[in-house]
Amino acid sequence: DQQVKQNSPSLSVQEGRISILNCDYTNSMFDYFLWYKKYPAEGPTFLISISSIKDKNEDGRFTVFLNKSAKHLSLHIVPSQPGDSAVYFCAASEKQGGSEKLVFGKGTKLTVNP
Amino acid sequence: DAGVTQSPTHLIKTRGQQVTLRCSPKSGHDTVSWYQQALGQGPQFIFQYYEEEERQRGNFPDRFSGHQFPNYSSELNVNALLLGDSALYLCASSSDDLSYEQYFGPGTRLTVT
Repeated sequence: DQQVKQNSPSLSVQEGRISILNCDYTNSMFDYFLWYKKYPAEGPTFLISISSIKDKNEDGRFTVFLNKSAKHLSLHIVPSQPGDSAVYFCAASEKQGGSEKLVFGKGTKLTVNP
Repeated sequence: DAGVTQSPTHLIKTRGQQVTLRCSPKSGHDTVSWYQQALGQGPQFIFQYYEEEERQRGNFPDRFSGHQFPNYSSELNVNALLLGDSALYLCASSSDDLSYEQYFGPGTRLTVT
């Protein structure tokens, strides 16, 4: 069973507009949530994280929102730029045995058109 | 400041063979995790090493084993390779006090024929 779900395989937006990527999860024990960006032939690049006790975290053009009651988080990118075109992975972390392991969604491919 | 490095970049092996992949963590990190990413999927957790011991393991068979060295670098070994082991293998490093914030290397693309 998939504990982290990204239901949109792809998203296309115009340069300068807002990109909103969504993620749902089922495990209420997750204590951190992260977003990664991945270009082809590269490893995932860490973008931003949020603790389960927060509802918003902002870093430059990237903002992550967490709705614990709905078990839903989203990543907002404003304004979107062509260089943001990549696959975005949502990940959740659960503490087990004194360490955190990440559980990933399947990713959403974002295309930002000039 | 070097990030996470992995070697080799690509590897082609035959069914039944054994393979060793290598990872050097980001400077200042002491924890190494390994993930397998199949085509069209998100990375799946294999195991994590800290203080040269396997601290946590995902749902992977014993054919997958690892090691961490005193300098924090790590190896992933896969025995008796199956066609289904073809994937991108990612290494991630973190510090023990922030183990959820993991930084990934570029990966090793393994093809089993």
